[in-house]
Amino acid sequence: AQKITQTQPGMFVQEKEAVTLDCTYDTSDQSYGLFWYKQPSSGEMIFLIYQGSYDEQNATEGRYSLNFQKARKSANLVISASQLGDSAMYFCAMSAQGGKLIFGQGTELSVKP
Amino acid sequence: DSGVTQTPKHLITATGQRVTLRCSPRSGDLSVYWYQQSLDQGLQFLIQYYNGEERAKGNILERFSAQQFPDLHSELNLSSLELGDSALYFCASSAWGGDYGYTFGSGTRLTVV
Repeated sequence: AQKITQTQPGMFVQEKEAVTLDCTYDTSDQSYGLFWYKQPSSGEMIFLIYQGSYDEQNATEGRYSLNFQKARKSANLVISASQLGDSAMYFCAMSAQGGKLIFGQGTELSVKP
Repeated sequence: DSGVTQTPKHLITATGQRVTLRCSPRSGDLSVYWYQQSLDQGLQFLIQYYNGEERAKGNILERFSAQQFPDLHSELNLSSLELGDSALYFCASSAWGGDYGYTFGSGTRLTVV
């Protein structure tokens, strides 16, 4: 069965420092996508970054990068130069058959000034 | 503004009642997805429609139903509501399938009292 595991329920990081949020996945599919979404306290789900399973280079979007290690089935999110506005829940997700996304349980990130 | 519009933003209703949640997808998107986010279950896929037809079904209760209309807006109907149905209900849309992710609306927060 396809599954996403986020082992860090909560994390703290100092403003301006980098932080890595862990995500491991399990799938038998050869082709899949990996995603990170941010959910601030207001509740909306904000797309951050996408990595395809056949992409050889790690995806980057501004201060976000995805550390994709296919053999280890991990897709960690790295946020560089953390800002106070980065405080939120972060969800790792994987595309599954039929177009649905399977989500992990999330990591709550708190950025300290 | 993500382009996906959900109404209402908040809904408070009593047990046993029936409610309808509405979603207008982003312009040009043909697929609509419904997700439920609760504290104990996390983000759960409910159902997907593509151009008016049901494409995939997830953990959707029999008391719940959905449809997508010719103008591509979608409605999620929840009936015989129970306290446990209290959750944040998200609609998302994509141009085709969800292999490359999709855009979420801001959600409808349902409280059943």
